[in-house]
Amino acid sequence: DTGVSQDPRHKITKRGQNVTFRCDPISEHNRLYWYRQTLGQGPEFLTYFQNEAQLEKSRLLSDRFSAERPKGSFSTLEIQRTEQGDSAMYLCASSLEADTIYFGEGSWLTVV
Amino acid sequence: QQPVQSPQAVILREGEDAVINCSSSKALYSVHWYRQKHGEAPVFLMILLKGGEQKGHDKISASFNEKKQQSSLYLTASQLSYSGTYFCGTDEIGANNLFFGTGTRLTVIP
Repeated sequence: DTGVSQDPRHKITKRGQNVTFRCDPISEHNRLYWYRQTLGQGPEFLTYFQNEAQLEKSRLLSDRFSAERPKGSFSTLEIQRTEQGDSAMYLCASSLEADTIYFGEGSWLTVV
Repeated sequence: QQPVQSPQAVILREGEDAVINCSSSKALYSVHWYRQKHGEAPVFLMILLKGGEQKGHDKISASFNEKKQQSSLYLTASQLSYSGTYFCGTDEIGANNLFFGTGTRLTVIP
């Protein structure tokens, strides 16, 4: 069990550029989540996949954000035309059904 | 619906006890507790299920009052390693994700 892994761990980008984060969940986990966390706040839910199906999206997920999990394994989160307000840590998590949710180390995004 | 945690921050001397509370206005299926160190991801501590028993390991335990939608995390004989921000994540009945509170920052000093 290698845990949830995320890549890259840190990304600095200029405003207006696109960025993509990758998440590899724990291998047998069928559920995958994306959360966003800013300083001093708890993680905020963005979206959730059951296998390859994206079943829920938060209103926080504007149309500049898109997430995929094409084969029900790894997932990508893309942010288009980044804004300074997108600066945050993007956390991926996975679980087996509705069991314990395990978080990855997170991907820090800084938009300058 | 974001749960409410209290207190927002607490400072303890090594060996002292603390209680962190979490409450929700929604009916809950479970409550999850996590600890997060600065700059790191949240680390799972324990899960309290509806109808389940009080949980605990080492000197950290938790309870869940499903009628009041409240959970408490108990840290006894605190150690320096307990420092961090504690989050409760609530699993609302009918939802498929966790809602997290704003956290309780715990600092243990020698």
